[in-house]
Amino acid sequence: DTGVSQNPRHKITKRGQNVTFRCDPISEHNRLYWYRQTLGQGPEFLTYFQNEAQLEKSRLLSDRFSAERPKGSFSTLEIQRTEQGDSAMYLCASSLEVALGTEAFFGQGTRLTVV
Amino acid sequence: DAKTTQPTSMDCAEGRAANLPCNHSTISGNEYVYWYRQIHSQGPQYIIHGLKNNETNEMASLIITEDRKSSTLILPHATLRDTAVYYCIVRPLNTGGGNKLTFGTGTQLKVEL
Repeated sequence: DTGVSQNPRHKITKRGQNVTFRCDPISEHNRLYWYRQTLGQGPEFLTYFQNEAQLEKSRLLSDRFSAERPKGSFSTLEIQRTEQGDSAMYLCASSLEVALGTEAFFGQGTRLTVV
Repeated sequence: DAKTTQPTSMDCAEGRAANLPCNHSTISGNEYVYWYRQIHSQGPQYIIHGLKNNETNEMASLIITEDRKSSTLILPHATLRDTAVYYCIVRPLNTGGGNKLTFGTGTQLKVEL
């Protein structure tokens, strides 16, 4: 399978713990995006990378959230001191943006439950 | 980015055409119309996009009105596997933010026997 891969698929953690999610994009894609989705809502943009550079962060991304994309390949999203409000589906997407109008390919997401 | 308005839910009989409307009355000249869908417990999937001409691909057709203030996604022969939430998104041409997409709440399409 050469699509976007996210691990783990599910994560249950206790409030206050740190968690880290991984996203492996489609290999030749230069852009990588993180989104968050809560129940009944559409995905909300969090941040994106072009290669290894993080170009934009949403105001939704509090100081407890950090994302990296070392070497412009896979990416990690870490949440420190998790809160119950962090419970959501975290989606990763990638795209090859050398031309206008290219579409994003999404992974299946990591569902985080904070108890 | 322009805001979109979609019905909350729609039903369609299997084998019939599903016509999903979207209103984007504040769309500007440099914005595309994109459609994605999200099947339960999966990530969103790209369907189709257009600027001002009607578009067709193997999944669907996109009809954009002449004034570009609304569009309709057509699934010509809906199947049970097309049951999903369908998102209509407008996205600027000058892609500084690329696929930084603004999703609404979409239309829940239920295809029934």
